[in-house]
Amino acid sequence: GAGVSQTPSNKVTEKGKYVELRCDPISGHTALYWYRQSLGQGPEFLIYFQGTGAADDSGLPNDRFFAVRPEGSVSTLKIQRTERGDSAVYLCASSLTSGGYHTQYFGPGTRLTVL
Amino acid sequence: EDQVTQSPEALRLQEGESSSLNCSYTVSGLRGLFWYRQDPGKGPEFLFTLYSAGEEKEKERLKATLTKKESFLHITAPKPEDSATYLCALTNFGNEKLTFGTGTRLTIIP
Repeated sequence: GAGVSQTPSNKVTEKGKYVELRCDPISGHTALYWYRQSLGQGPEFLIYFQGTGAADDSGLPNDRFFAVRPEGSVSTLKIQRTERGDSAVYLCASSLTSGGYHTQYFGPGTRLTVL
Repeated sequence: EDQVTQSPEALRLQEGESSSLNCSYTVSGLRGLFWYRQDPGKGPEFLFTLYSAGEEKEKERLKATLTKKESFLHITAPKPEDSATYLCALTNFGNEKLTFGTGTRLTIIP
């Protein structure tokens, strides 16, 4: 079946602009995660949804970052007033359910470049 | 705080030359230890999950093992298509997130 999809694959924006990154999880997966990966580093956790609610947003770096999942499927990561330091690959993952035992399957990522 | 350290940072092997990648960790209570493969420009691809010390899993030329302090990814007679970055990650009993190491960049030379 289809894996996790993310759009756009690449996004170039100017400092101060607003961006939205979209994630479409594997059908039937109730848990959804966002991570951020900088060059040469492993992915770092941002936020996790179980269903429609954000169950853990402790990884969001500041209040410019926000994510929603209104119908428990597609999620959007929103970044306001972008800064050059926000440049990274944003990865989305989904798992069948929560619990930490279940495999998280990753999408291809969105490469965000802030000029 | 959970910590994952991978070594070496980079490894170059001749085709057919077996070796091991190391993942050492500290965690309050290990729920799962995960290995992923990541090709340039792509998202991590799941390989294995290990849950308890002594557990081993195999897939083709790869075998993952787990102790109470570290995990190894053994690669036997590698081929050029095994070239990738291998990431180790864990979950603990307190939350759902994966904590990743920085990865080992493996290059297999024909």
